[in-house]
Amino acid sequence: QKEVEQNSGPLSVPEGAIASLNCTYSDRGSQSFFWYRQYSGKSPELIMSIYSNGDKEDGRFTAQLNKASQYVSLLIRDSQPSDSATYLCAVTTGNQFYFGTGTSLTVIP
Amino acid sequence: GAGVSQSPSNKVTEKGKDVELRCDPISGHTALYWYRQSLGQGLEFLIYFQGNSAPDKSGLPSDRFSAERTGGSVSTLTIQRTQQEDSAVYLCASSWGLAAPSYNEQFFGPGTRLTVL
Repeated sequence: QKEVEQNSGPLSVPEGAIASLNCTYSDRGSQSFFWYRQYSGKSPELIMSIYSNGDKEDGRFTAQLNKASQYVSLLIRDSQPSDSATYLCAVTTGNQFYFGTGTSLTVIP
Repeated sequence: GAGVSQSPSNKVTEKGKDVELRCDPISGHTALYWYRQSLGQGLEFLIYFQGNSAPDKSGLPSDRFSAERTGGSVSTLTIQRTQQEDSAVYLCASSWGLAAPSYNEQFFGPGTRLTVL
């Protein structure tokens, strides 16, 4: 079983809609959770971090963490074509950093 | 320095040659990570440094790969006798590396694209 699992997609949403990206992790001891955005040909860019259960909002982005279900999600409201990218979920356990394989998102104008 | 820097940005080499890739982390960051990303694939963890020591080398694909870090700053990833399957983007990331979770955020460099002919 992989440490971090994501649906590879591709996920397509129309412009202005809500995009929902999901991630599950296997280690209950995981402490920190991150979402990275990676545009084609570029390196990953940190967009959200979350450390405790519940929701964390930053602009159009909301990260949701449920440690009991070992589930973390990213919601993107009012999706824009510029949000089209691959979104990587990352989880830390101690000093170990695990990345999912990413979900490809396309926002259709 | 503003962010993580890597050099060279592109490297084309012939099969069998040795290459060195350099990473300069964000000033003050004690943790440094190397990853590899093949075209269309996810991130493959290679090695992690805390200061100058490497507690986790588990991701290095073979003994042709080695890495070092000196002065708690710059790191060099060396690939000996390169093979075509080594072709990928090599990414470096750094973080504060402290115990508190908020200090674990990793920031990535632009990567080195390695092509082995």
